[in-house]
Amino acid sequence: DTEVTQTPKHLVMGMTNKKSLKCEQHMGHRAMYWYKQKAKKPPELMFVYSYEKLSINESVPSRFSPECPNSSLLNLHLHALQPEDSALYLCASSTTSGRAADTQYFGPGTRLTVL
Amino acid sequence: RKEVEQDPGPFNVPEGATVAFNCTYSNSASQSFFWYRQDCRKEPKLLMSVYSSGNEDGRFTAQLNRASQYISLLIRDSKLSDSATYLCVAHSGGYQKVTFGTGTKLQVIP
Repeated sequence: DTEVTQTPKHLVMGMTNKKSLKCEQHMGHRAMYWYKQKAKKPPELMFVYSYEKLSINESVPSRFSPECPNSSLLNLHLHALQPEDSALYLCASSTTSGRAADTQYFGPGTRLTVL
Repeated sequence: RKEVEQDPGPFNVPEGATVAFNCTYSNSASQSFFWYRQDCRKEPKLLMSVYSSGNEDGRFTAQLNRASQYISLLIRDSKLSDSATYLCVAHSGGYQKVTFGTGTKLQVIP
C-alpha cells in the first residue's frame, strides 16, 4: 500500500473558524511532511516530523499548528487564517533510512479556501 | 537566486518529439535529486530518482552533473499523456530538507 490519504478534499472556512486537516499513511514511514502549494507555484515545505517529533518548521505562522499523534497520522490545525492562506495543502511521507529515504509519497491534498 | 531553478516553459512539442528539461541547484550540499510530475490540480507523483550519474526508465532519462550543479530530464517519443508540469527536487541534510524547483510545463500537441 503506497497510499497517503488526506481529508477533507475541500475545505471552506471563515477567518474566525478553527479547523483541522488530516493525513494518514500505512507504509511504516517515520517521516511526514506538510506542504503548501499556491496556484502555478511549486510546493513549499512547511513542517517535517521525524519519529513523531517536529524536526523542521519553515518559519510558518503560528496560526498553523501541526500535530503528529502517532506514526501513521499527521494533523494540521488551522485557526484565524487569512484569505492569502487559501491554497492546496499537501501531505507526504517517506522512509528515514537507506537509499529510498528521500522518496516522498504525496497525498491528494486538501484544497483550502479562506473567506 | 532561487535554490532550485527551472525554465518555467511552457514547452509545446508535437507527439513523438524528444524534449529536454534542465534544472540548476545552488546548494552544493544537496545530496539526492528527483523528478516529479504534477498534473493540473493533482498531487506531485515521483517520476524518477537521480542519485549518481543518471538513470533511464523507458522513454525517460535523467542525468546529474555535480560539477556544474544541474540535472536534466530527457523525454523521448513524447505522448499526449506526458503533458504535465515537471518538478525538479533537491534534498540536502538527509531526508528532511527538501526544495522543489519552480516547475516546467510541458504540453504535447497532437
